[in-house]
Amino acid sequence: RKEVEQDPGPFNVPEGATVAFNCTYSNSASQSFFWYRQDCRKEPKLLMSVYSSGNEDGRFTAQLNRASQYISLLIRDSKLSDSATYLCVVTTSETYKYIFGTGTRLKVLA
Amino acid sequence: GAGVSQSPSNKVTEKGKDVELRCDPISGHTALYWYRQSLGQGLEFLIYFQGNSAPDKSGLPSDRFSAERTGGSVSTLTIQRTQQEDSAVYLCASSSMDGAEAFFGQGTRLTVV
Repeated sequence: RKEVEQDPGPFNVPEGATVAFNCTYSNSASQSFFWYRQDCRKEPKLLMSVYSSGNEDGRFTAQLNRASQYISLLIRDSKLSDSATYLCVVTTSETYKYIFGTGTRLKVLA
Repeated sequence: GAGVSQSPSNKVTEKGKDVELRCDPISGHTALYWYRQSLGQGLEFLIYFQGNSAPDKSGLPSDRFSAERTGGSVSTLTIQRTQQEDSAVYLCASSSMDGAEAFFGQGTRLTVV
């Protein structure tokens, strides 16, 4: 089983739609969680950290479920510019090594 | 500099040659990561440096790959006797502390012909 798993997609959604991605992780000692965004042929950039209490940044909401070992990202009112690959990242308290999921591709359609 | 800097941005090399890829992390960042990304694929972890601790080399795919980090700052990834399957984008990232946000450089696109 991979340490971090994501549905690769692509998720094709119309503008204005709400879309949600999940990411599961296998190590219960995982400590820090992030969502990164990667545009085509660009480097990944931090979208948001994921806190235990959940957090929201504009149209984006991230949640953590430690019991079921998954994190989620919700995007409301999708824009064309949201089209990208969304990468789930997990670190553990043992190594702090960043472990990336393979990413979920999102295409927002006009 | 303000961000993570990688050089060269592009490198074309002949099969069998050695290459060196450089990463200048953000000043003061103690953690430095190297990843590899093949076209259309996810990020493959290569190596992780944290302060003065022994590096985590568990992701290096073969003994042709090695990396150093001098003075806790600049890092060099060396690939010896390059093969065509080494063609990929090599990404470097740094972070200020364990578990903090990592910032990526723009990568080095390596093409082995």
